[in-house]
Amino acid sequence: GEEVAQTPKHLVRGEGQKAKLYCAPIKGHSYVFWYQQVLKNEFKFLISFQNENVFDETGMPKERFSAKCLPNSPCSLEIQATKLEDSAVYFCASTPRRQADSGANVLTFGAGSRLTVL
Amino acid sequence: AQSVTQLGSHVSVSEGALVLLRCNYSSSVPPYLFWYVQYPNQGLQLLLKYTSAATLVKGINGFEAEFKKSETSFHLTKPSAHMSDAAEYFCAVSQGAQKLVFGQGTRLTINP
Repeated sequence: GEEVAQTPKHLVRGEGQKAKLYCAPIKGHSYVFWYQQVLKNEFKFLISFQNENVFDETGMPKERFSAKCLPNSPCSLEIQATKLEDSAVYFCASTPRRQADSGANVLTFGAGSRLTVL
Repeated sequence: AQSVTQLGSHVSVSEGALVLLRCNYSSSVPPYLFWYVQYPNQGLQLLLKYTSAATLVKGINGFEAEFKKSETSFHLTKPSAHMSDAAEYFCAVSQGAQKLVFGQGTRLTINP
């Protein structure tokens, strides 16, 4: 498709529960990104993938957060043992090629998944 | 490392007035710069991007931005605000490995 599809739109979890979010990038896009937006503030980069390989995970919290992009499956972002501060909107984005190959590639963002931890 | 600073977390203008949203960047290399808009409960939509081809960049919905290297700025403007322009606007710089670094965002309010 021509849009980045994120599911679910809303997810509510009790503190300590697991949360899993999904992202289907645009067909043909080989790079996938996850961003976290807390309280309508700035976007924090979490992790990026080139196809199924982790490309950059410098923003990923070392504990509790994990992500995957497997062939023929939506990408996923999983939070084990959620905490109150994990409440945020998680955005996925995709882009077709590396910046160096064709100038500044534009990231296409999904509508986001809102995680509320109670 | 690259970074962006958006001056003013909230800007309010009257309908029909000039819109000016400020963005300054920090980069050790020629940057790629972007403006995105976020409407309530939606994702980010690209308004325009600067990729060194032209310093004045025209985007969608009548917005444009001018890259000024001497001022390290990439301010967003629109000559005449419309009610539908009310949204959150984010300036971003492209860091290595295709990673975007965003500013803090500016909420634009349009007064009738």
